[in-house]
Amino acid sequence: GAVVSQHPSRVICKSGTSVKIECRSLDFQATTMFWYRQFPKQSLMLMATSNEGSKATYEQGVEKDKFLINHASLTLSTLTVTSAHPEDSSFYICSALDREWDPNEQYFGPGTRLTVT
Amino acid sequence: LAKTTQPISMDSYEGQEVNITCSHNNIATNDYITWYQQFPSQGPRFIIQGYKTKVTNEVASLFIPADRKSSTLSLPRVSLSDTAVYYCLAPSGNTPLVFGKGTRLSVIA
Repeated sequence: GAVVSQHPSRVICKSGTSVKIECRSLDFQATTMFWYRQFPKQSLMLMATSNEGSKATYEQGVEKDKFLINHASLTLSTLTVTSAHPEDSSFYICSALDREWDPNEQYFGPGTRLTVT
Repeated sequence: LAKTTQPISMDSYEGQEVNITCSHNNIATNDYITWYQQFPSQGPRFIIQGYKTKVTNEVASLFIPADRKSSTLSLPRVSLSDTAVYYCLAPSGNTPLVFGKGTRLSVIA
């Protein structure tokens, strides 16, 4: 199956700094990637949809100026958490669609654990 | 996008067959039924997907009745390593997956 990687797997940062999380599709081209956030014992919450070469579409309640998403190539999308605060501490997961293989199946990355101190 | 409903939690002993049923009353004609498994601090992992009747792979079986308003994920002879959260979804094509609360399966020795 298709593989999606995320980097870093864990990051700790100080309040007020910015953190970039990378999501890569390793063996396929992903025209669309999705970013999710998951708090402990809760389900995944969709944050935004990222299409290669265009602006991301954010879900209601997600601040686009705080969570900057860039999808500059068919294999890479990045999520930057700007001016991070402790409440941004969460598990961030990306997923990617391989339209050529199966438009109904999304492949998920392993997640990035962000801790803001 | 069809809303899905599934039990919050289930317990099972090792070696038993586990069936998790999901209801999706307003599933659309083009929607597939997809199940994901998630372990703590990991991304969801695709288990199985189907449209109707029965689908089986090396991990599980998926039973879908003719009206497609529900589906049942069957895990044969579970082991401790099957303890996880299982999500049932009915995505429409390439739309983003919207996750419900899932079913937390606990396998007991």
